[in-house]
Amino acid sequence: DQQVKQNSPSLSVQEGRISILNCDYTNSMFDYFLWYKKYPAEGPTFLISISSIKDKNEDGRFTVFLNKSAKHLSLHIVPSQPGDSAVYFCAASSTGAGSYQLTFGKGTKLSVIP
Amino acid sequence: DSGVTQTPKHLITATGQRVTLRCSPRSGDLSVYWYQQSLDQGLQFLIQYYNGEERAKGNILERFSAQQFPDLHSELNLSSLELGDSALYFCASSVAGTTTDTQYFGPGTRLTVL
Repeated sequence: DQQVKQNSPSLSVQEGRISILNCDYTNSMFDYFLWYKKYPAEGPTFLISISSIKDKNEDGRFTVFLNKSAKHLSLHIVPSQPGDSAVYFCAASSTGAGSYQLTFGKGTKLSVIP
Repeated sequence: DSGVTQTPKHLITATGQRVTLRCSPRSGDLSVYWYQQSLDQGLQFLIQYYNGEERAKGNILERFSAQQFPDLHSELNLSSLELGDSALYFCASSVAGTTTDTQYFGPGTRLTVL
């Protein structure tokens, strides 16, 4: 049972345009969400996070939006750059007592075309 | 460079064998996590240690075990290996091991079971 789903395995975007990566979750106990970026032959790198008390969090070119009622979050990258080409993983956790693990989606491979 | 080191980078072994993967966390981090990434899968949480003690357990098989030593490095032991155990194994570390702590990932160990 996949609790975090990234339904698009890949996405291609022109340099300078907006990249929108989507993520859906099913577990209503999840209240903390993260995006990680992964380049080939490297481990995932933390990008941005959002708590369920917010619906938006911004960090430079990266913005994460959370729609709790739809159990959906998205990562917007504006403007997209060739160096953003990587696999992006959505992850979720429940901050309730005794729960420490992250549940990851399968990832979306973003290709930014120069 | 995340500061998390993992050895070896690659490991090729045969079915039925036993291997040990090693992880050194970032300086100052007390918590270590192990993840498995199989082909076309997201990262699956295996187990977490905090300051030498097991803190959380995920989808870890009984054939797998881990420990965290007094110097905070961790080892993941995989025994009676099967073809399906072929995967990338990532170690991550964080300061306090809470769910909102940023996890820093190592580059991974690629295990191939023939």
